[in-house]
Amino acid sequence: DGGITQSPKYLFRKEGQNVTLSCEQNLNHDAMYWYRQDPGQGLRLIYYSQIVNDFQKGDIAEGYSVSREKKESFPLTVTSAQKNPTAFYLCASSTGQGVSPLHFGNGTRLTVT
Amino acid sequence: AQSVSQHNHHVILSEAASLELGCNYSYGGTVNLFWYVQYPGQHLQLLLKYFSGDPLVKGIKGFEAEFIKSKFSFNLRKPSVQWSDTAEYFCAVNENLGSYKLIFGSGTRLLVRP
Repeated sequence: DGGITQSPKYLFRKEGQNVTLSCEQNLNHDAMYWYRQDPGQGLRLIYYSQIVNDFQKGDIAEGYSVSREKKESFPLTVTSAQKNPTAFYLCASSTGQGVSPLHFGNGTRLTVT
Repeated sequence: AQSVSQHNHHVILSEAASLELGCNYSYGGTVNLFWYVQYPGQHLQLLLKYFSGDPLVKGIKGFEAEFIKSKFSFNLRKPSVQWSDTAEYFCAVNENLGSYKLIFGSGTRLLVRP
């Protein structure tokens, strides 16, 4: 079955460490997205990519970095510069044609202590 | 900057009651509008969408939404809710300018009591 795989489901890190969240899709979608979900704040866009080797900052990109070297992969690195990294992170993809609906992964819950 | 407001953060209804969840956006140009739903323990999924044409759109599971351009609104409705509608509902907006950027509201958590 086609879909989006985020791993791991739960991730724990010490403050000051960088951590990379994985997102892989086999839907052959051009566009991929990273959102952060916090209680009462909905989903906030971190980064998005419309095509391989290209990506744009979302509304809360500070302290995060991404790469898009392959169409199917869009890893997110949470750096030590991110002041409040503990959150639920969601990856999504879309065909990008017109404005197609997003397909979401199951998310990664990151806890930094 | 474009923003999306969902004023009802928590809604509690009894089964068979009617539902209306508010969604307002700030962008003044042409927009594409979506409602997504997240059932407990499941991933986000599309409920319905509006791109153009008839401003009253129908989605899955008996949901519908009406786009009122003059009010910058895209409210979600269902005439009679079921216990299985318990979920969190998110409104989302995209500027119809070829941008892939999709902005979400803060969500409304709906609890339907049997």
